This record gives sequence, structure tokens and C-alpha cells, in this order.
Amino acid sequence: DQQVKQNSPSLSVQEGRISILNCDYTNSMFDYFLWYKKYPAEGPTFLISISSIKDKNEDGRFTVFLNKSAKHLSLHIVPSQPGDSAVYFCAASWQGAQKLVFGQGTRLTINP
Amino acid sequence: NAGVTQTPKFRILKIGQSMTLQCTQDMNHNYMYWYRQDPGMGLKLIYYSVGAGITDKGEVPNGYNVSRSTTEDFPLRLELAAPSQTSVYFCASSPRSGTYNEQFFGPGTRLTVL
Repeated sequence: DQQVKQNSPSLSVQEGRISILNCDYTNSMFDYFLWYKKYPAEGPTFLISISSIKDKNEDGRFTVFLNKSAKHLSLHIVPSQPGDSAVYFCAASWQGAQKLVFGQGTRLTINP
Repeated sequence: NAGVTQTPKFRILKIGQSMTLQCTQDMNHNYMYWYRQDPGMGLKLIYYSVGAGITDKGEVPNGYNVSRSTTEDFPLRLELAAPSQTSVYFCASSPRSGTYNEQFFGPGTRLTVL
């Protein structure tokens, strides 16, 4: 039972353009969502998060949008840079859960 | 701060062997986690701990054991290694509940069981 799904295994974007990574979830109890970035041979690092009381959170070039009715969130990267090439994981949790549920990840490649 | 450290970085085991994956954090975090990542898959939670002396099972605990005798250390024990345990293992820590605080990950241990 995959509660957090990232349906695109890979995405290729031109440098300078917008990258949009998508994530869907099924568990209505989730009320906190995070994005992690992972480079090869390294552990995931936290990128940005959003609480269910918001529908948007921005941090520099990164914006996360949350659509609770559709159980969907997306990560926008504008403008995309070569250093953004990595695997991006969506994760979700709920109050008292003490743990995160991760999606399968999307490999983003930024082309020069 | 070194953050979360894991040893070894790589290991090859034969079927039936045992080993311990080490994880240490120097951030005084209460919560610690062990995940495995298989190719093309997300991170699956194996075990977690909310403090010294307290551990609990995650999604995929079979074939593994953990202990948490100190705040800093959270070793993962593999008994009777099987090819299905070939994976990359990540340890993570979090300052309190994992719900509203991000988890900090170590660099991973790549394990191959032949």
C-alpha cells in the first residue's frame, strides 16, 4: 500500500526553466509534507516543508504547493540550475506519527 | 558537528553471515531511524527509536534487530543475511518527534549479500 506516490521516475528540464515535481498521497491523516533532495552516494537532505494549514511555502528558488482536496503536492524549482540534478523524495507525516512515509523518488536532470 | 555518521560505507556479506551497521549522531537528537532504499524505490522504515532504551518496528523489520543504549548510538544488526537484504541503508535522526522536524540523514551503507 503506497501511501505516498511519485508517479514520474524521472524528469529532464532545460537549465533556466521551471522544474515541477509531483507527489500524490492517499492517507487523509497526513498533515505535514516534506521534500528531500539526494545526490548519488550521499544521504537525503531536507529541502522544504509545508503544513496542511498552508497551501504554499516558498524558500528562494523552491516553492511547494499543497492541494488538500486533490491530495496532491508539487515542488517548483525556478530557475532550474545544473546543481539541482538529483533525486527528489516527497515525504508525509501526521501529528503523533513519529515517522515519515516516503515516495519512490523522482530523478531530476537539468540539461545545460 | 559531524552530524550523523555511518560505518561501514560498503560491505559484502555471504548468505548466512551476520553484521552490525553502526550509526552515531552528535546532535543530541532523541529520535533515530533506520531506512533501507532499494533501486527505484523510496525509503522504507526498518526500525526507529524515540529515546535511549526505546525502539519500535517500522514497515520492514523482519531480519533486523536494533538497540539504543545511548542517545548517540543506534546500531542495526543483521542476522543470517539474505540476498533480499542487499540494499543501501540510511540512518537518520531528529531532535524530537519526526512529525514536525526534518530528519537528518547519514551518508548510507551499501550492503551486498551474495
